[in-house]
Amino acid sequence: NAGVTQTPKFQVLKTGQSMTLQCAQDMNHEYMSWYRQDPGMGLRLIHYSVGAGITDQGEVPNGYNVSRSTTEDFPLRLLSAAPSQTSVYFCASSRMGLVDYEQYFGPGTRLTVT
Amino acid sequence: GENVEQHPSTLSVQEGDSAVIKCTYSDSASNYFPWYKQELGKGPQLIIDIRSNVGEKKDQRIAVTLNKTAKHFSLHITETQPEDSAVYFCAATPMIYNQGGKLIFGQGTELSVKP
Repeated sequence: NAGVTQTPKFQVLKTGQSMTLQCAQDMNHEYMSWYRQDPGMGLRLIHYSVGAGITDQGEVPNGYNVSRSTTEDFPLRLLSAAPSQTSVYFCASSRMGLVDYEQYFGPGTRLTVT
Repeated sequence: GENVEQHPSTLSVQEGDSAVIKCTYSDSASNYFPWYKQELGKGPQLIIDIRSNVGEKKDQRIAVTLNKTAKHFSLHITETQPEDSAVYFCAATPMIYNQGGKLIFGQGTELSVKP
């Protein structure tokens, strides 16, 4: 199993450009989520999904869109990048139910917006 | 909503000493408290977790304690080794069946173990 994969690893955007961060998992996990990590602020939840076709907002959703057309993929879209979106982005997945809660994180995408 | 505070932000110990990281949470509905370790350039990885029906859990050199009344939980690492050097995050969430876990993270603690 590859686990959770993210592409690209690094990206530089100019203000106003759009892009999609890719996330895929091969563990058949129902739950997937996106976090951003900024110095001194821990990881903050952007959006999450409890299954194909179902998404919801986290703590910091503004400026980001998501969709979940398959169990495996959960892309994060920046429609008009802003310097405040410079961050490291992590995708995570986990089972649902009440037995195994562990969230598995991808290696991250480092995004710089100039 | 939930708010998690983590202290200290940096911690330096000598190899072989113990390290303690503390977190407080605000939402009494939270019932799941994981700890993640993040090595440089990698994503966070779960090292231990505890549920609200348990007061303490141990796994080799790592232990976590939970005080529901005071709404705080702590990570204890004994006999620290240089490979324990990393950033550690606590998190909390009310785990609800078929709704997943919207983890709310603390700010992180950078642990440095000096040989």
